[in-house]
Amino acid sequence: EAQVTQNPRYLITVTGKKLTVTCSQNMNHEYMSWYRQDPGLGLRQIYYSMNVEVTDKGDVPEGYKVSRKEKRNFPLILESPSPNQTSLYFCASSLETGYNEQFFGPGTRLTVL
Amino acid sequence: DQQVKQNSPSLSVQEGRISILNCDYTNSMFDYFLWYKKYPAEGPTFLISISSIKDKNEDGRFTVFLNKSAKHLSLHIVPSQPGDSAVYFCAASGDPNTDKLIFGTGTRLQVFP
Repeated sequence: EAQVTQNPRYLITVTGKKLTVTCSQNMNHEYMSWYRQDPGLGLRQIYYSMNVEVTDKGDVPEGYKVSRKEKRNFPLILESPSPNQTSLYFCASSLETGYNEQFFGPGTRLTVL
Repeated sequence: DQQVKQNSPSLSVQEGRISILNCDYTNSMFDYFLWYKKYPAEGPTFLISISSIKDKNEDGRFTVFLNKSAKHLSLHIVPSQPGDSAVYFCAASGDPNTDKLIFGTGTRLQVFP
């Protein structure tokens, strides 16, 4: 089944404790992206990647890192999480850039205490 | 500054009637628009899209209308079904090289029997 998977689905952590949210897609997509969803703000793009080893900042990249060492994986790294990073996170992928449909993962709900 | 706005947080419609969800945008550089549907505990799923060279796109029960002069688009669902109950996000893009999507805040649609 073609899908985007994220792990963990739920995470409660404390301020300053490094964490990684994994994202993997099995559709051989070139383009991958991370979004966060907050009440009253919709989904906002954090980082995106157009291909392996090519990443760039979205609208809200502060406090986040990403890497794209393999085509299928695009982990989101929070080196020192803070409470304002409490949010619902979505990973998405599409075949390539050029206004193709983006497929979203099921989401990761993160709480930083 | 919200570039894509969905001013109605919620909408309630009787089964079989038409649902109309509205979206306004401010950036005249946007040239591609999408609607995503989101069920609880799932990621958004693509519903329908429209390019700025068109003013209407239809897919089964779903039709999207684009009024470029008013910077307004709408999603019509006819007839509405209980399974359509979900949160609907409008999104816009103006750069095919990055596929960056700007999302609205969402409208929660409830279809009752």
